[in-house]
Amino acid sequence: GESVGLHLPTLSVQEGDNSIINCAYSNSASDYFIWYKQESGKGPQFIIDIRSNMDKRQGQRVTVLLNKTVKHLSLQIAATQPGDSAVYFCAENTGGFKTIFGAGTRLFVKA
Amino acid sequence: EPEVTQTPSHQVTQMGQEVILRCVPISNHLYFYWYRQILGQKVEFLVSFYNNEISEKSEIFDDQFSVERPDGSNFTLKIRSTKLEDSAMYFCASVMTSKGYEQYFGPGTRLTVT
Repeated sequence: GESVGLHLPTLSVQEGDNSIINCAYSNSASDYFIWYKQESGKGPQFIIDIRSNMDKRQGQRVTVLLNKTVKHLSLQIAATQPGDSAVYFCAENTGGFKTIFGAGTRLFVKA
Repeated sequence: EPEVTQTPSHQVTQMGQEVILRCVPISNHLYFYWYRQILGQKVEFLVSFYNNEISEKSEIFDDQFSVERPDGSNFTLKIRSTKLEDSAMYFCASVMTSKGYEQYFGPGTRLTVT
């Protein structure tokens, strides 16, 4: 069945370091992947997305990598800041109207 | 910047009562979604809605749930007879395209069923 999961439930990094958050997915039919950030008491916020015909996409301080061979997705945050502290969710879409979220990784940024 | 709004921010209801959660999506968006998030857990898809009908729904979205777009701006989620396990944050989201490009989420409604 469909499942999107995360390897690490929590990640603690020093301010200024780079962060890498990982995600595994099992539905090979998924063609669109999204990373969301959720701060406490708020709804998920879109960070970056990637289509299955790409293996890398860069945004401002963030990079998403997609490895379809091993069904792995990662989010890299450069020069992590205290404001990056949040829960990060990967999500997948199989081309329809349904988005499946992963379990989430909590990122702690130490000043 | 336009945003999705949701009311109320917190709803407390007794088991068996009906609740209606309201959302105002971004005005030029065409696709609308409801998700729920039980405390400390992941965001779960409930239903998607386009062109005044349900596009897809999850197994969570049983006969107790319904959605409606009663006018050009509101998008509602109704739970007919609430259960304790319906207690969760409910998020509305909207997007312009069917691929879920940049789904914009509202701040959520916290539903507490007692």
